[in-house]
Amino acid sequence: DVKVTQSSRYLVKRTGEKVFLECVQDMDHENMFWYRQDPGLGLRLIYFSYDVKMKEKGDIPEGYSVSREKKERFSLILESASTNQTSMYLCASRGHGRIQETQYFGPGTRLLVL
Amino acid sequence: QQQVKQSPQSLIVQKGGISIINCAYENTAFDYFPWYQQFPGKGPALLIAIRPDVSEKKEGRFTISFNKSAKQFSLHIMDSQPGDSATYFCAASMGGNTPLVFGKGTRLSVIA
Repeated sequence: DVKVTQSSRYLVKRTGEKVFLECVQDMDHENMFWYRQDPGLGLRLIYFSYDVKMKEKGDIPEGYSVSREKKERFSLILESASTNQTSMYLCASRGHGRIQETQYFGPGTRLLVL
Repeated sequence: QQQVKQSPQSLIVQKGGISIINCAYENTAFDYFPWYQQFPGKGPALLIAIRPDVSEKKEGRFTISFNKSAKQFSLHIMDSQPGDSATYFCAASMGGNTPLVFGKGTRLSVIA
C-alpha cells in the first residue's frame, strides 16, 4: 500500500520565518510533486522532481524552493514566509513510465502564516 | 491560462440521483484523463481514469464519458450517496512523466 507522509498536518509560522515542509514516500517513486490548494483555485503545481537532485518549476514557483537529496524525500522551503502563502500544501508521488501511473497524495499540511 | 476547465464549482444532488461533473480541455496532446476524489482533511485519491482510445469507462457507480472531438470529458455518479459528498477534481496530462494539470474542483453534496 503506497504511503505518502507529510511531516506536519498543521503549522503556524510568523511572517519572514523560513519554513520547511517535508514529504516522504515509501514506493520508490521517481516523480514527486508539491501543490498548494486554495478554495476556488484548485490544485496548483509549485515544483516537481523526476529524480534525485533534479527539480522543475511548476506554475507558481515564486517564493518557494525545493530540495531532493534522497529519492524518497522531497522538501518544500519557504525562504521568507508571507501571509499570502497561507494555504494547504499537498505532496504527491508517482512512478516513472511511458504510460502514466497513478499519482498518490499525502494528507496535506495546512500552513497559517501570521 | 487554464488548461482544464471544470464545471460546476458546486453541486447538490438528492440521494439516489445522478451527479454529473464536466471538464473541457484545449491541449490535444493530452492523453490521460483521471478523476480524483478528496474528502475533508484528506489528500486527493484517484477515483477513475480514462485514455482517449475509449469513449467510456465504468467502475461501479462511477463512469467517465470521453468526447475526443469536443475535447470534453465528464464524470457521472449513479445512485449518488451521502458518502459520495466530497470535492472532485478532473485532470489531464500528456502521459509519461509530465505533470497532471488539474481543474479547479467541484464540491459535491449529496443530501438525503
